[in-house]
Amino acid sequence: DVKVTQSSRYLVKRTGEKVFLECVQDMDHENMFWYRQDPGLGLRLIYFSYDVKMKEKGDIPEGYSVSREKKERFSLILESASTNQTSMYLCASSSLAGGDNEQFFGPGTRLTVL
Amino acid sequence: KQEVTQIPAALSVPEGENLVLNCSFTDSAIYNLQWFRQDPGKGLTSLLLIQSSQREQTSGRLNASLDKSSGRSTLYIAASQPGDSATYLCAVEGPGANNLFFGTGTRLTVIP
Repeated sequence: DVKVTQSSRYLVKRTGEKVFLECVQDMDHENMFWYRQDPGLGLRLIYFSYDVKMKEKGDIPEGYSVSREKKERFSLILESASTNQTSMYLCASSSLAGGDNEQFFGPGTRLTVL
Repeated sequence: KQEVTQIPAALSVPEGENLVLNCSFTDSAIYNLQWFRQDPGKGLTSLLLIQSSQREQTSGRLNASLDKSSGRSTLYIAASQPGDSATYLCAVEGPGANNLFFGTGTRLTVIP
């Protein structure tokens, strides 16, 4: 069974802290994605990566960075957490783009920044 | 930029009823369309994926159709059950991107 795992289900941090969200997939997928989900706004893409050490900005990259040192792992970094980054963060992975390219999602991390 | 709309935002139906959820998108140059289910506080579970060359996909009581030229998809749920209560999200891949563009979802409640 395919699996995307995220390091934490719930996380509480203070303003200004550096925050790491980890995502691991076991499907040997090339593509990995980080989204945030907010009520009324739906899912918005923060960053994605189509290969090791490669990254592309999504729609809302400000305040975030990412790291992909290994194919199976994609990390989202909040350099200095702020209250407006309180959200549900969802990681996903997929194989090569186009056609039969199903995205698989992790369980999500609900981050609260105080 | 691709925009995805889902109507209605919320829907309540009695158990056993058949129902249809709607999804529309603005740019027809898509690679595929995916329907997801999300339970409160949880991640997304993929239900069906329709490639751009396909018209429909079926899985159990679920049937999804795609009319790419008109920018529409429907998710048909037959004989609804209380366990179907969740938010259903539609997403399209493309044009020209690896990532998905999501609608804001339809929150379905099936009343026993």
